[in-house]
Amino acid sequence: AQSVSQHNHHVILSEAASLELGCNYSYGGTVNLFWYVQYPGQHLQLLLKYFSGDPLVKGIKGFEAEFIKSKFSFNLRKPSVQWSDTAEYFCAVNFYNNNDMRFGAGTRLTVKP
Amino acid sequence: GAVVSQHPSWVICKSGTSVKIECRSLDFQATTMFWYRQFPKQSLMLMATSNEGSKATYEQGVEKDKFLINHASLTLSTLTVTSAHPEDSSFYICSAKGLAGVNVKNIQYFGAGTRLSVL
Repeated sequence: AQSVSQHNHHVILSEAASLELGCNYSYGGTVNLFWYVQYPGQHLQLLLKYFSGDPLVKGIKGFEAEFIKSKFSFNLRKPSVQWSDTAEYFCAVNFYNNNDMRFGAGTRLTVKP
Repeated sequence: GAVVSQHPSWVICKSGTSVKIECRSLDFQATTMFWYRQFPKQSLMLMATSNEGSKATYEQGVEKDKFLINHASLTLSTLTVTSAHPEDSSFYICSAKGLAGVNVKNIQYFGAGTRLSVL
């Protein structure tokens, strides 16, 4: 079955620390990959997306993600987090044989000032 | 950019009443709209997918008669929670996928969500 896994449920970091959030999916075919962020009390916002081409994708607010096809992974990274990055992060995958998007369980990031 | 408007943002209703939530794509035509449900501290769970002019496709375990979805035009979809009960209290989020003309048509744009509280 097609699924999306985010292994980190809650991550707590201090400001300026580096961030990496894991995302894996199970599907052997073509996928489109997304990371969304949900700040407290706000709606989902697209951070970055991968459709094809360079597997290293740069998004807004200094975030980037790398698609590693052999590992079925699309991990989110940021070299130096800020307090304002405190939010819930969702990995999402659009499987090519489905019209919809499947979400991972989400990772809550807390950045201590 | 593409904007999806969802209304109302918060609704409180008595048990047994019905509630309608609207989802509009403001500056693009949405061929497909999606309805999600999000429980506190959990991820988004897809409830149903609707294409304009056709019946919605519901995910397994979602009651069609309870969650009525109408997608009458390319810019409007509605979700009606019929005979709502306290267990239906949740955060409902819609999203829309556009036709060519939006920046990248394979992207889903999300509404701000509707918090439903059933007393």
